[in-house]
Amino acid sequence: AQKVTQAQTEISVVEKEDVTLDCVYETRDTTYYLFWYKQPPSGELVFLIRRNSFDEQNEISGRYSWNFQKSTSSFNFTITASQVVDSAVYFCALRYNFNKFYFGSGTKLNVKP
Amino acid sequence: KAGVTQTPRYLIKTRGQQVTLSCSPISGHRSVSWYQQTPGQGLQFLFEYFSETQRNKGNFPGRFSGRQFSNSRSEMNVSTLELGDSALYLCASSLAREGSSVEAFFGQGTRLTVV
Repeated sequence: AQKVTQAQTEISVVEKEDVTLDCVYETRDTTYYLFWYKQPPSGELVFLIRRNSFDEQNEISGRYSWNFQKSTSSFNFTITASQVVDSAVYFCALRYNFNKFYFGSGTKLNVKP
Repeated sequence: KAGVTQTPRYLIKTRGQQVTLSCSPISGHRSVSWYQQTPGQGLQFLFEYFSETQRNKGNFPGRFSGRQFSNSRSEMNVSTLELGDSALYLCASSLAREGSSVEAFFGQGTRLTVV
């Protein structure tokens, strides 16, 4: 069975703090894809990053960085020096079959000025 | 390049009625999938269409149906609406060639309220 767990329901930080969003996934497939999406109040899911199961290279993009570890089935997302505009709900997702995604329950990030 | 367009943005319907939602994918994308988002159940997969054929279906009752046209636009229909169908319905567009790691791009959704 495919499953994505985001244990953090809501996180509140003060602007400029670093924050890490956790994601743990379960799958029996050897080939799969992991994603992070951001959902602002407008409702649209905004794509942030994808990772293939065979590519464990971590990545930094501006203030965002990702840590993918197959050994622990985790795909964590870190925002450095958070800003108020980062406030949103963040979803981790697993895709393994065509265009079907399994989403975690989401983590609501509140960044206070 | 235009993004994924969903219409209408908001809908209010009465129990028992039916509703049709529309999704226009990004130009060149042939896969369209639909998701229901509710506070209690989160984001749940409804179905996916590729080249006018349904490739995948989630665990929803038969009242939920969809179709895709030759221009890749997709419609989703819900018949005999129930209060529990109130949700944000999101459409995702993707190239989705099997074996590829392409991402899905989402529209802003249609917020359906059933009263």
